[in-house]
Amino acid sequence: EAGVAQSPRYKIIEKRQSVAFWCNPISGHATLYWYQQILGQGPKLLIQFQNNGVVDDSQLPKDRFSAERLKGVDSTLKIQPAKLEDSAVYLCASSLEPGVYEQYFGPGTRLTVT
Amino acid sequence: SQQGEEDPQALSIQEGENATMNCSYKTSINNLQWYRQNSGRGLVHLILIRSNEREKHSGRLRVTLDTSKKSSSLLITASRAADTASYFCATEPYNNNDMRFGAGTRLTVKP
Repeated sequence: EAGVAQSPRYKIIEKRQSVAFWCNPISGHATLYWYQQILGQGPKLLIQFQNNGVVDDSQLPKDRFSAERLKGVDSTLKIQPAKLEDSAVYLCASSLEPGVYEQYFGPGTRLTVT
Repeated sequence: SQQGEEDPQALSIQEGENATMNCSYKTSINNLQWYRQNSGRGLVHLILIRSNEREKHSGRLRVTLDTSKKSSSLLITASRAADTASYFCATEPYNNNDMRFGAGTRLTVKP
């Protein structure tokens, strides 16, 4: 079974530039999550989708971050404009349904903002 | 905001010893999950325990949950060098499906 795919794996940009990350969840998984993990910390949930609808985006900095999940499958996360403090690993995860099902994580995208 | 807090922040043991990590959380939960993260395999789910369960086992892993104390523990028995990783607890708050991760315990198992 193919896992969660993410691209790119690494990205270096200058502050005030924009960047986009892509995620393809496990086939059949209705729930998709984007997390931000800063070095030395645990993952922080940014946004959760159920199919193509947003379930929770309470921790998403909406002035600069946006995310979409068209057709309830792939998802993109965008940052515009980027700040130095956005340097982190961005993890995508998926699960069959929200709640009692385990989440499967992708390898992440390591973003460095200079 | 992060819900769980792992203790200790770092743990170093010899191969063959047992490792115990603790997680405390603040609000009522539906379930609690433990994850492992290392550079080779990313973040991997280990075990899920529901709020009405007190103990679960999976191979060399044993997880306990005390909802009255809002705490959980993860025991790894007969540790191996390959167990070296960061371990995170993640809680699903009651009436809310979003997962909240702690800052993790960094485990080092020396061969």
